[in-house]
Amino acid sequence: KAGVTQTPRYLIKTRGQQVTLSCSPISGHRSVSWYQQTPGQGLQFLFEYFSETQRNKGNFPGRFSGRQFSNSRSEMNVSTLELGDSALYLCASSLEAGVREKLFFGSGTQLSVL
Amino acid sequence: GDSVTQMEGPVTLSEEAFLTINCTYTATGYPSLFWYVQYPGEGLQLLLKATKADDKGSNKGFEATYRKETTSFHLEKGSVQVSDSAVYFCALAGYSTLTFGKGTMLLVSP
Repeated sequence: KAGVTQTPRYLIKTRGQQVTLSCSPISGHRSVSWYQQTPGQGLQFLFEYFSETQRNKGNFPGRFSGRQFSNSRSEMNVSTLELGDSALYLCASSLEAGVREKLFFGSGTQLSVL
Repeated sequence: GDSVTQMEGPVTLSEEAFLTINCTYTATGYPSLFWYVQYPGEGLQLLLKATKADDKGSNKGFEATYRKETTSFHLEKGSVQVSDSAVYFCALAGYSTLTFGKGTMLLVSP
């Protein structure tokens, strides 16, 4: 069974641009969560999607958005990139929503903003 | 709100040494507690978990006991290997999401 797949693995963007990251959950998993990982702040929750609906959102500005498709694949978008958005973005999937005890993480997308 | 505090790293040990990584938490109620491990270039993997007070989670020689009195969940291993070199994250399951500590890097030398 394939794990959580995130693409691309690396991204380099410049300030002001926008970026879209993709996450394909484990087959059969319907919930996808996104986390931002930085050396200073550690891992911070961005949002969770289940059945194409956002269930929870962390404390991030509106520049960060996401969506989930009918096949459970998810994308997150960051608009008007800032230097501080440089981070590893991790996606995690689970069978059901709110199941924090059975999260499976992808390897992440490393975003560098220049 | 919920928070997790871990000892800062890096923790540097020789192979076969005893490992302790401290973790304390602040939360409402009695959340489930976890240790995740992140190897270089990879995502997080669940290492072990405990769901109630006095529970001991264990996996691959690692252990952690849920201590309600001291709000702690310290990670221990009796004899570390070079392959244990990674970043270790303590986390708790809050109402709607996982709250992570900032991670502790472990470096094990031969």
